[in-house]
Amino acid sequence: GAGVSQSPSNKVTEKGKDVELRCDPISGHTALYWYRQSLGQGLEFLIYFQGNSAPDKSGLPSDRFSAERTGGSVSTLTIQRTQQEDSAVYLCASSSNRGRDIQYFGAGTRLSVL
Amino acid sequence: AQSVAQPEDQVNVAEGNPLTVKCTYSVSGNPYLFWYVQYPNRGLQFLLKYITGDNLVKGSYGFEAEFNKSQTSFHLKKPSALVSDSALYFCAVKPGGYQKVTFGTGTKLQVIP
Repeated sequence: GAGVSQSPSNKVTEKGKDVELRCDPISGHTALYWYRQSLGQGLEFLIYFQGNSAPDKSGLPSDRFSAERTGGSVSTLTIQRTQQEDSAVYLCASSSNRGRDIQYFGAGTRLSVL
Repeated sequence: AQSVAQPEDQVNVAEGNPLTVKCTYSVSGNPYLFWYVQYPNRGLQFLLKYITGDNLVKGSYGFEAEFNKSQTSFHLKKPSALVSDSALYFCAVKPGGYQKVTFGTGTKLQVIP
């Protein structure tokens, strides 16, 4: 595709349920980031994948959060046992070193935990 | 560890006046610096970047930013603000190589007609 694609665009879930958020980066981009943004606030870094290197997971807020990137392309962010404070917009971005690290963002997944 | 500070949560400016959105950074080595903009109900868009070379960088929509190494700053500027510039602006920094980008907390720009 032409840009970063995230699905679903909106997700409503009940407290305690698990959710999976998907990110399709731009083809050929080696770097992939997940961020969380609450109510138009700042970006909270979650995790960073770069090529085949071990991901930087330093931003994951708890062990309920995990992410994987299969085949260096599609990434899935999983939140287990969701809590109301997990409600936010989850943004994915990808970048290429050839583009000097400009990040291209998806439209995000708006997660609402009831 | 790298960091970015955007000291103002919100900046208000009258339409037609010059605007400045402040950003300071801390990083090891030579920085890559970026500004991104998020319009209401839309995703983040790249605005401009500094990698090397001329300290004054020009970007989209008439914005520019000046890299000041001694003050470790990368303030965003525009000579004449438009109401349509009202948005959330993020400064970001990364070291060279395969390192993650760090974003500031964002500054809400409100241009008043």
